[in-house]
Amino acid sequence: QSALTQPASVSGSPGQSITISCTGTRSDVGGHSFVSWYQQHPGKAPKLIIYDIIKRPSGVSNRFSGSTSGNTASLTISGLQAEDEADYYCSAYTGASAPRVLFGGGTKVTVL
Amino acid sequence: QVQLQESGPGLVKPSGTLSLTCAVSGGSITGSDWWTWVRQPPGQGLEWIGEVYHSGSTNYNPSLSSRVTISVDKSKNQFSLKLSSVTAADTAMYYCASELPGAARQFDSWGQGILVTVSS
Repeated sequence: QSALTQPASVSGSPGQSITISCTGTRSDVGGHSFVSWYQQHPGKAPKLIIYDIIKRPSGVSNRFSGSTSGNTASLTISGLQAEDEADYYCSAYTGASAPRVLFGGGTKVTVL
Repeated sequence: QVQLQESGPGLVKPSGTLSLTCAVSGGSITGSDWWTWVRQPPGQGLEWIGEVYHSGSTNYNPSLSSRVTISVDKSKNQFSLKLSSVTAADTAMYYCASELPGAARQFDSWGQGILVTVSS
């Protein structure tokens, strides 16, 4: 059982928007801004697509956006494209007082 | 953005010790704060193993802490993972990673990964 809870799968048609949730606790998602999202294609290493809840690394499409509400973080993919079909993982750092990095169980995104 | 490359045996016997090294290129290991190991069992999700600061300080996943040692070798610009008393449950793809500067424990550089199988 993963520390952060994500839906196992989400699907959408090309051009649609989808949202993936990631639920934690006040000690991780709800208590710090160190929330990130990773995209992983089969056989590849994870790729950072969102950090500090809402920021995008250089080169990442602005179709990816992040947000939080309470103990739940969300990743929205707008204008869904075939290349977005992948596994997505959320992650949260618990802070310097009890340092630990948590991952969600992963969400498989299928483009219909 | 640095480049990372894992190396080590791809097969370890049960009860043995898994030993991996992550070579850092394109930058100094003192140029980033924390260096991290993450693993992913076949068909499963990501699991944080632990991290080492370039000074040698470490933090480990509590579920693995009794078996894990992560160390840094600044002279070779690399860091290493040792996991003892391995079982089949430790079979996984092992990744090394480094954090985006200024973004605590959010990893923008990853190695390609190395598959380690625990089997006799």
